[in-house]
Amino acid sequence: AQKVTQAQTEISVVEKEDVTLDCVYETRDTTYYLFWYKQPPSGELVFLIRRNSFDEQNEISGRYSWNFQKSTSSFNFTITASQVVDSAVYFCALKGRDMRFGAGTRLTVKP
Amino acid sequence: DSGVTQTPKHLITATGQRVTLRCSPRSGDLSVYWYQQSLDQGLQFLIQYYNGEERAKGNILERFSAQQFPDLHSELNLSSLELGDSALYFCASSVGEGLFNEQFFGPGTRLTVL
Repeated sequence: AQKVTQAQTEISVVEKEDVTLDCVYETRDTTYYLFWYKQPPSGELVFLIRRNSFDEQNEISGRYSWNFQKSTSSFNFTITASQVVDSAVYFCALKGRDMRFGAGTRLTVKP
Repeated sequence: DSGVTQTPKHLITATGQRVTLRCSPRSGDLSVYWYQQSLDQGLQFLIQYYNGEERAKGNILERFSAQQFPDLHSELNLSSLELGDSALYFCASSVGEGLFNEQFFGPGTRLTVL
């Protein structure tokens, strides 16, 4: 069975702090995809990144970076120099034979 | 604005009733996906259609059904509604066929079953 665990239910930081959101997954599939989505207070879901299981290169996009480690089955997301607009619920997801989402981490960035 | 539209925004109905949620994908996208977000179950993938045909099925109940029409819009039909069906229902679309494609989400339809 597939499973995605986001152990951090809520995180609160002060603006300009760096923050890492953890995601641990379980799957028996050899080919799979990992995703991060953002759900701001307005409610819509926004795709942030997709990674396939054969590509362990870390990725950086502006203040966002992702660390994919197959050895620990983790796909962590770091926001550098956080801003108030980063306040949202962030979901990690796994697509193997089916699609599973983590429970989400609510990030609050205070000014 | 993702370019995906969903109607209605809000829907309030009673147990046992049937409702239809509508989704129009982004121009050019052939895939439509339906998701449910509830307090109990979290975010769940329900079903995907690609160019009118069912492509993938997730945790969709038998009381629920969907279809994609020739103009590529999609409808999600929920019947014999129960209190637990109260949720935010998202539609998403993508150009490609697979669930791994980058998906663009609509604003959602909030369903309340009383």
